[in-house]
Amino acid sequence: KAGVTQTPRYLIKTRGQQVTLSCSPISGHRSVSWYQQTPGQGLQFLFEYFSETQRNKGNFPGRFSGRQFSNSRSEMNVSTLELGDSALYLCASSVGTYSNQPQHFGDGTRLSIL
Amino acid sequence: GNSVTQMEGPVTLSEEAFLTINCTYTATGYPSLFWYVQYPGEGLQLLLKATKADDKGSNKGFEATYRKETTSFHLEKGSVQVSDSAVYFCAPPWDSNSGYALNFGKGTSLLVTP
Repeated sequence: KAGVTQTPRYLIKTRGQQVTLSCSPISGHRSVSWYQQTPGQGLQFLFEYFSETQRNKGNFPGRFSGRQFSNSRSEMNVSTLELGDSALYLCASSVGTYSNQPQHFGDGTRLSIL
Repeated sequence: GNSVTQMEGPVTLSEEAFLTINCTYTATGYPSLFWYVQYPGEGLQLLLKATKADDKGSNKGFEATYRKETTSFHLEKGSVQVSDSAVYFCAPPWDSNSGYALNFGKGTSLLVTP
């Protein structure tokens, strides 16, 4: 069974630009969550999508947005990039129905802002 | 909401030493508990899980017991190897109100020296 796939693996952008990251979940998984990981703050929750609807949202500004498609693939977008947005962005998928199910993580997209 | 308290580290051990990483949780009800591990340059991988009180999860020599009376889920390994060097995360328990909308924090960084 293929794992969670995130593309691209690395990105370099400059301040003020925008970026779109992609996540393909494990087949059959309907929940996709996004996290930001930095040395200072650790692994922080951004948002979760389930069946194309945003189900939960973390404490991030509106520059961070996402969406989920009918095939459960998800994208997140960050507009007006700031230096502090440099981080590893992780996507995780799960069956999404039961609390007993673990999350499955991709290897992340490393975003660097110059 | 549900949360965990986990020592941040870094923890440095010699090969074959005994490992304990403490994790205490707060949760409504009795959700499943999980430990994840992150190796350099990768995303998080599920290490082990326990689905109910007094359950012991185990994998790759690691163990953790779901202790309801002490609200703990401490990770242990009898003899660590250099290859166990990684960051370990005790996952915040799934919450029926917010789902996976929880921050993992910085985890515990483990360095095992030869």
